[in-house]
Amino acid sequence: NAGVTQTPKFQVLKTGQSMTLQCAQDMNHEYMSWYRQDPGMGLRLIHYSVGAGITDQGEVPNGYNVSRSTTEDFPLRLLSAAPSQTSVYFCASRRAGRFYEQYFGPGTRLTVT
Amino acid sequence: AQTVTQSQPEMSVQEAETVTLSCTYDTSENNYYLFWYKQPPSRQMILVIRQEAYKQQNATENRFSVNFQKAAKSFSLKISDSQLGDTAMYFCAFLTPARNMLTFGGGTRLMVKP
Repeated sequence: NAGVTQTPKFQVLKTGQSMTLQCAQDMNHEYMSWYRQDPGMGLRLIHYSVGAGITDQGEVPNGYNVSRSTTEDFPLRLLSAAPSQTSVYFCASRRAGRFYEQYFGPGTRLTVT
Repeated sequence: AQTVTQSQPEMSVQEAETVTLSCTYDTSENNYYLFWYKQPPSRQMILVIRQEAYKQQNATENRFSVNFQKAAKSFSLKISDSQLGDTAMYFCAFLTPARNMLTFGGGTRLMVKP
């Protein structure tokens, strides 16, 4: 199993540009989520999904869109990037009911200039 | 609101010694899970240890153990026989099944010195 994979590893955007951060998992996990980590801080939840076709907002959802058309993929879209979205983004997944087994991807470092 | 507080932004310890990282949390839930994650310079989030709130016995994983005080809402991590590879950021995190989201503390940067 590859686990949770994220692409790209690094990205630089100009203010106003759009892009999609990709996340995929091959463990057939129902739950997937996106977190952001700002310098010197812990991770904060952006959006999450409990299964294909079902998504919900987390703690800091503004400026981000998600969709989940398959169990494996959970892309995060920035429609109009802002400098405040400069951060490291982590995707995570877990099996339903297995609250103690979150699997994290390697992260994407995004810089918005 | 659920919050997690790590009061020690930075700590250092000599190799082979023991260090304890502090964590307190606030919740009105009775069913929850607590975690310690390690984040080395590679950025990868690595689960160190976990504790279910309904279990009275403190969790232990090799050199890592926790002191879980439910009434005090405290969840400290003890690292015994510290190794250079333990140098990393350590995050305390909290999850309730009802909210289905991890809430993280601000982290403690641990430096193990040779």
